[in-house]
Amino acid sequence: EVVMAQSPATLSVSPGERAVLSCRASQNVIRNLAWYQQKPGQAPRLLFYGASIRASGVPARFSGSGSGTEFTLTISSLQSEDFAVYYCQQYNDWPPYTFGQGTKLEIK
Amino acid sequence: QLQLQESGPGLVKPSETLSLTCSVSGGFVNSDTSYWGWIRQPPGKGLEWIGSIHYIGSTYYNPSLESRVTISVDTSKSQFSLKLESVTAADTAIYFCARNFYYMEVWGKGATVTVSS
Repeated sequence: EVVMAQSPATLSVSPGERAVLSCRASQNVIRNLAWYQQKPGQAPRLLFYGASIRASGVPARFSGSGSGTEFTLTISSLQSEDFAVYYCQQYNDWPPYTFGQGTKLEIK
Repeated sequence: QLQLQESGPGLVKPSETLSLTCSVSGGFVNSDTSYWGWIRQPPGKGLEWIGSIHYIGSTYYNPSLESRVTISVDTSKSQFSLKLESVTAADTAIYFCARNFYYMEVWGKGATVTVSS
């Protein structure tokens, strides 16, 4: 099973600043990685697949990068609606699909 | 616009079977390129993929749950279902259904299931 590790667990950033979230895979997942955003009381929402392909409706201030075992989600200028929990998920070696434990992005 | 909606009992007794249904609207369950999956999230915790099904009947399960899980599809009703046997308190979670093409493209809002006597 591919283990996904996200860091940091919690990230405190001020509105307007840049946030960088990391995701590491225990083995090479090529670029078969997705990112999700989950707000309290809501279902997760797909942000990226293929490591860097933006899903429909995702603002351009969000970007995804990386390959192999190291991936990054960057939010260039944080808006109030961006504060949420973010998960990565690999789909290179499955079953099972595996998720990271999440990074909580909170207002500083 | 594709929408998914979970339904089923919110309370299940220990050792019994959890049963949930996902109703699909605005799209077709019998799409060649789509799998339909279940994911769960225990209170305050992260996401765990349970399993997925293709409309022709191919199923894939998380090995950690495989002995207790059955996912089925009913194309005539545009629904797919989850059964989880012999539940314990550890199965208490929000259960999400999703359209699944490796990644989870579209999610339902989730159904909270509590396992308690």
